[in-house]
Amino acid sequence: DGGITQSPKYLFRKEGQNVTLSCEQNLNHDAMYWYRQDPGQGLRLIYYSQIVNDFQKGDIAEGYSVSREKKESFPLTVTSAQKNPTAFYLCASSANQDRVRLRGANVLTFGAGSRLTVL
Amino acid sequence: AQTVTQSQPEMSVQEAETVTLSCTYDTSESDYYLFWYKQPPSRQMILVIRQEAYKQQNATENRFSVNFQKAAKSFSLKISDSQLGDAAMYFCAYRRGSQGNLIFGKGTKLSVKP
Repeated sequence: DGGITQSPKYLFRKEGQNVTLSCEQNLNHDAMYWYRQDPGQGLRLIYYSQIVNDFQKGDIAEGYSVSREKKESFPLTVTSAQKNPTAFYLCASSANQDRVRLRGANVLTFGAGSRLTVL
Repeated sequence: AQTVTQSQPEMSVQEAETVTLSCTYDTSESDYYLFWYKQPPSRQMILVIRQEAYKQQNATENRFSVNFQKAAKSFSLKISDSQLGDAAMYFCAYRRGSQGNLIFGKGTKLSVKP
């Protein structure tokens, strides 16, 4: 079945450590996204990538980094510069516009999320 | 900048009854899409319904329907014949054009009473 796989589901980090969250999709989607979810805040965009080897900062990119070396993969690194990293992280993907026109409005498909806790 | 506002942090409905969740948005764009996502306790985000701004007809998906008022920039979700499995966080989201990121509201927590 096609979908998005995020790992690990739960992650604990000591202060000062960098951690990387994995996101893999087999939907042949061109665009991928990382969102952060905090209680009462909804989802906020960290980074997104519309195509391989290219990505843009979202609303809260400080303290995070990403790479997009393969179409299927969009890992997120939470660096020690992120002051409050404890949160739920969601990865998503969507088809590009050309494919969308054939099917109508496209949607974001989400992974199951990763819960990061800083000890 | 576009914003999405959900004014009801929490809502409650009796099983089999109907409930409406509110959402307003602010944009100067003419081409955009609106979505409602459901997040149950598992935290998996699930698409409930979507609406293209250029379509005048309100979208419907089984027990879920929207009331899209473009001039008022309002996009409410109506859930008919509520079921216990409808209990979840519901997020309204906006997307400029047919691709790109979503802008989310802060969500409405829906409880369903048996």
